[in-house]
Amino acid sequence: GQQVMQIPQYQHVQEGEDFTTYCNSSTTLSNIQWYKQRPGGHPVFLIQLVKSGEVKKQKRLTFQFGEAKKNSSLHITATQTTDVGTYFCAGPVRGGYQKVTFGIGTKLQVIP
Amino acid sequence: DAGVTQSPTHLIKTRGQQVTLRCSPKSGHDTVSWYQQALGQGPQFIFQYYEEEERQRGNFPDRFSGHQFPNYSSELNVNALLLGDSALYLCASSLGAAGGPQHFGDGTRLSIL
Repeated sequence: GQQVMQIPQYQHVQEGEDFTTYCNSSTTLSNIQWYKQRPGGHPVFLIQLVKSGEVKKQKRLTFQFGEAKKNSSLHITATQTTDVGTYFCAGPVRGGYQKVTFGIGTKLQVIP
Repeated sequence: DAGVTQSPTHLIKTRGQQVTLRCSPKSGHDTVSWYQQALGQGPQFIFQYYEEEERQRGNFPDRFSGHQFPNYSSELNVNALLLGDSALYLCASSLGAAGGPQHFGDGTRLSIL
C-alpha cells in the first residue's frame, strides 16, 4: 500500500536557526498536505499543494511540492519557540474515495 | 462557526469492554474520517464515512466499526477492547471524500486497563 515517509523524526534547533523536514511518498500524490500538532493538541491543517513544482509561503514557512509529485518539504526560517510541535505531511491514496495517509511526523524542539 | 467536536474527552475502560466515541463535523462538511494516534506516531487511518456509508477502511480489525447519521455526525465503536487500543482517537471532517484537507477535533484519549 501507499507509504508516506518523513525525515528526520526529531530535530532540535537553537532559536533563530532554520529547520527543514522532508516527505516522500511511494506513489504519486494528487496533493500533499501539511499539518502541525502542538504538544497535547490535535493536528491543525497548514496548507495543501496540488501542482507539480509548486512553492507556497506562509510568513517564515516555505512549502514545496516536487516535480514528480512524490516528495515535499517544509522549511522554517529563523525558528521561534512558537514553532515547537510535530509537523506531519499527508497525502490521499488514489481512488474514488480517497483516504489521507499521514507520515510519522517530525518533532521540532526549539531551544531558546 | 463551530469546528469539529468530539466526546468524551477522556475515557478509561478495561480489557474486553466496548466503547463508543462521538464526533460532530465542522459546519458545512459532509465527510468524517477516524484516526488512531499512538504516542509518538502519526495518525493512522481507521475509516471514512460519506453519505452514511463506510467508503474507505484502513488496516483495522472488524472490532472497529462506525456509523454516520443523516446530520453527518459519526460514531466510532470498538468491541472487545485490548490494551493496544489505548490511544488518542481523532475525528476529522472534510468536504467531499476526495482526500482534501482534514479538520480535526481535539480527540478522545482512550486508556485501557
